[in-house]
Amino acid sequence: GDSVTQMEGPVTLSEEAFLTINCTYTATGYPSLFWYVQYPGEGLQLLLKATKADDKGSNKGFEATYRKETTSFHLEKGSVQVSDSAVYFCALSDYGGATNKLIFGTGTLLAVQP
Amino acid sequence: DSGVTQTPKHLITATGQRVTLRCSPRSGDLSVYWYQQSLDQGLQFLIQYYNGEERAKGNILERFSAQQFPDLHSELNLSSLELGDSALYFCASSARGDGVRETQYFGPGTRLLVL
Repeated sequence: GDSVTQMEGPVTLSEEAFLTINCTYTATGYPSLFWYVQYPGEGLQLLLKATKADDKGSNKGFEATYRKETTSFHLEKGSVQVSDSAVYFCALSDYGGATNKLIFGTGTLLAVQP
Repeated sequence: DSGVTQTPKHLITATGQRVTLRCSPRSGDLSVYWYQQSLDQGLQFLIQYYNGEERAKGNILERFSAQQFPDLHSELNLSSLELGDSALYFCASSARGDGVRETQYFGPGTRLLVL
């Protein structure tokens, strides 16, 4: 079945460091890919998405490119801030049958230190 | 603010009890999804409703049930609660629910603690 694999956390960085969180997927069809973020004590917020191969999603300085050849959707940010500390979830939506349910990775905790 | 509302925010109850979680989707969205977030299982899809009808089931226990009403709000009913049901329950909504390019918008969640 479809699945998403994320790098294990926690990831601890200093402010202004470069961030990469790896995400790879397995899907039978042509999925859309998403990054959601969960700030402490809050719900899930959509960070960015890409709906087809070679698409780049971007938002708030974060970017991810849909790579079909490597089945990857790595999240990057050039300079992280303390306020970016959160749990990041990679997810896919692969319409199969009657539903476009989301399948999530395990989440990666990012802690940014001043 | 995603536009999806969930009540209550927190719920504490005892084993064997029954609770109801409520979700109101974004205005105009016809599909509602329920997800469970627990430490051991991560984020898992439970069930989806589209315009009042069940569309898909995921890893939902038989003790759990859901419905979507004519005004499109949804309720998730959890009965014969066990300690392991303690989790964060999210509701999400999307416009139609039948296309991979759709975005699902999540509510703030209901945190359930079973003692």
